[in-house]
Amino acid sequence: AAGVIQSPRHLIKEKRETATLKCYPIPRHDTVYWYQQGPGQDPQFLISFYEKMQSDKGSIPDRFSAQQFSDYHSELNMSSLELGDSALYFCASSLVRGGSPLHFGNGTRLTVT
Amino acid sequence: KQEVTQIPAALSVPEGENLVLNCSFTDSAIYNLQWFRQDPGKGLTSLLLIQSSQREQTSGRLNASLDKSSGRSTLYIAASQPGDSATYLCAVRRSSNSGYALNFGKGTSLLVTP
Repeated sequence: AAGVIQSPRHLIKEKRETATLKCYPIPRHDTVYWYQQGPGQDPQFLISFYEKMQSDKGSIPDRFSAQQFSDYHSELNMSSLELGDSALYFCASSLVRGGSPLHFGNGTRLTVT
Repeated sequence: KQEVTQIPAALSVPEGENLVLNCSFTDSAIYNLQWFRQDPGKGLTSLLLIQSSQREQTSGRLNASLDKSSGRSTLYIAASQPGDSATYLCAVRRSSNSGYALNFGKGTSLLVTP
């Protein structure tokens, strides 16, 4: 079965650079979520989109922005990168039905040097 | 703010034992609860989803229960195997509206020794 696809798998950036992470949800899933997981930490919710509109917002820094496109893929844009942004970034998708489970991608590991 | 707590933080058991992982949450007004498995440096694999109206869900050697009124869930793993070694995360969803995300606990790190 198709899963959530994230790219790239690994990304190395320097401080103050920008990064763009991409997420392709499971086909027919209309909701996308972004999570950040620091070393040894639980995943922290950043932001979500339903039908290309922002639907919920968590602890996303102002330096980050995200959007969902017409084909339902989503991009997380990160600017003025800081060392503390080094983490595993997960995307998840689900169906519009509130009770449906979230399915996660394998994540993008971002390292800021 | 919903707080999700998992106990124990780490657990080591010999192969073949049955074990229970615990999850508690402070706000009982949840929509559903999902258990995940995470291998080191890897993604999150969904194990079981329990809706707020359900008491338990089973999949193979896994059984998850939910007591919404007391804010507790347990994940029971029968006849544990070394391949079960991973971090197990509990997450609750607060709303039925699409886009409302999960709140995670910090996980239980499980090691099953041969």
